[in-house]
Amino acid sequence: SQQGEEDPQALSIQEGENATMNCSYKTSINNLQWYRQNSGRGLVHLILIRSNEREKHSGRLRVTLDTSKKSSSLLITASRAADTASYFCATDAWGGFKTIFGAGTRLFVKA
Amino acid sequence: NAGVTQTPKFQVLKTGQSMTLQCAQDMNHNSMYWYRQDPGMGLRLIYYSASEGTTDKGEVPNGYNVSRLNKREFSLRLESAAPSQTSVYFCASTTLGGADNSPLHFGNGTRLTVT
Repeated sequence: SQQGEEDPQALSIQEGENATMNCSYKTSINNLQWYRQNSGRGLVHLILIRSNEREKHSGRLRVTLDTSKKSSSLLITASRAADTASYFCATDAWGGFKTIFGAGTRLFVKA
Repeated sequence: NAGVTQTPKFQVLKTGQSMTLQCAQDMNHNSMYWYRQDPGMGLRLIYYSASEGTTDKGEVPNGYNVSRLNKREFSLRLESAAPSQTSVYFCASTTLGGADNSPLHFGNGTRLTVT
């Protein structure tokens, strides 16, 4: 079974609104990453947060990590139509080389 | 830099046929990965190679074999294709997986249909 599970599965918002996606995972991790995938393309790395970090920012992106709850959230502020894509969380377990992905959240931003 | 290059981009096979998916990276990365993506399932890890000369099974290795030909290249082989292997296959690489905290770089995928 997959390590990470995103919630919601799909999200539709208006341009300018904020979008929040959540990720839960099962085992102890070294880091958690968020990726974006545009239709028909490969995944692109957005942001990485280490297990000893609680919050990280990158431009309009804000990621939080709660290791006690085994969960993370990705916030995209002031969304744009170009943010329409699927977003995936991925985790690296301690001592291993496997990067395991969740099923993703499909975000649709209406202009 | 080309990054991660996958060939072919599209392939149609008949059940029982074999084929090899090719992947090459020019970023001097140590670790390479093969994933498959099915609708609603996200990405599932098939095999990975932590470093040149090593390969290990991922979540869904059955029906596949891999070869880490050298540091740059990591191929995925389907010996006897089945309709259940219809999917989009992604290759990825990173400096050194696991505790290195480095992100994965992905190719654009190979869309495989098995009839």
